[in-house]
Amino acid sequence: QKEVEQDPGPLSVPEGAIVSLNCTYSNSAFQYFMWYRQYSRKGPELLMYTYSSGNKEDGRFTAQVDKSSKYISLFIRDSQPSDSATYLCAMSRDWGAQKLVFGQGTRLTINP
Amino acid sequence: DAGVIQSPRHEVTEMGQEVTLRCKPISGHDYLFWYRQTMMRGLELLIYFNNNVPIDDSGMPEDRFSAKMPNASFSTLKIQPSEPRDSAVYFCASSPGTGGSSSYTFGSGTRLTVV
Repeated sequence: QKEVEQDPGPLSVPEGAIVSLNCTYSNSAFQYFMWYRQYSRKGPELLMYTYSSGNKEDGRFTAQVDKSSKYISLFIRDSQPSDSATYLCAMSRDWGAQKLVFGQGTRLTINP
Repeated sequence: DAGVIQSPRHEVTEMGQEVTLRCKPISGHDYLFWYRQTMMRGLELLIYFNNNVPIDDSGMPEDRFSAKMPNASFSTLKIQPSEPRDSAVYFCASSPGTGGSSSYTFGSGTRLTVV
C-alpha cells in the first residue's frame, strides 16, 4: 500500500463548478500537508500548505485536513479554464523535513 | 532569478546507452532533489543532497543510476546502461532549507525516452 493515495482521474468539470480533490494517507506521523499544481510540461508549483488539522483559504482555493480520518482535500470555487492542470498532494512529518511524499496527482480539466 | 535549470529538456536514446541529466539549483539553496515522474507511479524521490552531500539515496532504483553534486551549483543524474523502463520525466528541485517543507522549487524537467 502506498503511503499517500490520490485518484489520478482524469476529472473534467464545466467552468464555474466547485471542484473537490482528495488524498488519503496511512502514516499518522504526517503533520504538514501541501498541494502542488503542475501545468503540462512544467514542474510542480506549490499552491497551498497547511499544518495539522483544519482549513486554510486562499482566494478561490480551500485546503482542508482531517487527521483523524487521514484525509485531505482541496476545493476550488468558481473554477476557471486556467485551473486545468494536474494537482498533487504532498506530505511531510515535520517542518524541517525536506523529504516530501507525493500523491500520484489528479488531472483536472475545466471546460469553458 | 532564473529558477532551477535542467538540461536537456528532451532526451531520446537507445537502450544500453549512457544518459546524463543536468541540474543547476537556485543560488543559495542548500538542498537538491532528484525526482522521477511516471503515469503509473507518480512523482518519486530518487535522491537528495544537503550541502553537496548525498543524504538519502534509498529511492535510487538500482545500481544503473548514480547522482553527483560536485559543487553547490551543479548536479548530474546518470543512467548507465539505460533501459526502456527508465523512460519518464526527471525533475530536479532545490530548497533553501529554511521555510521547511513549503520551500521546494522544481525545474521544468527532462523528458527521457529510451527506445
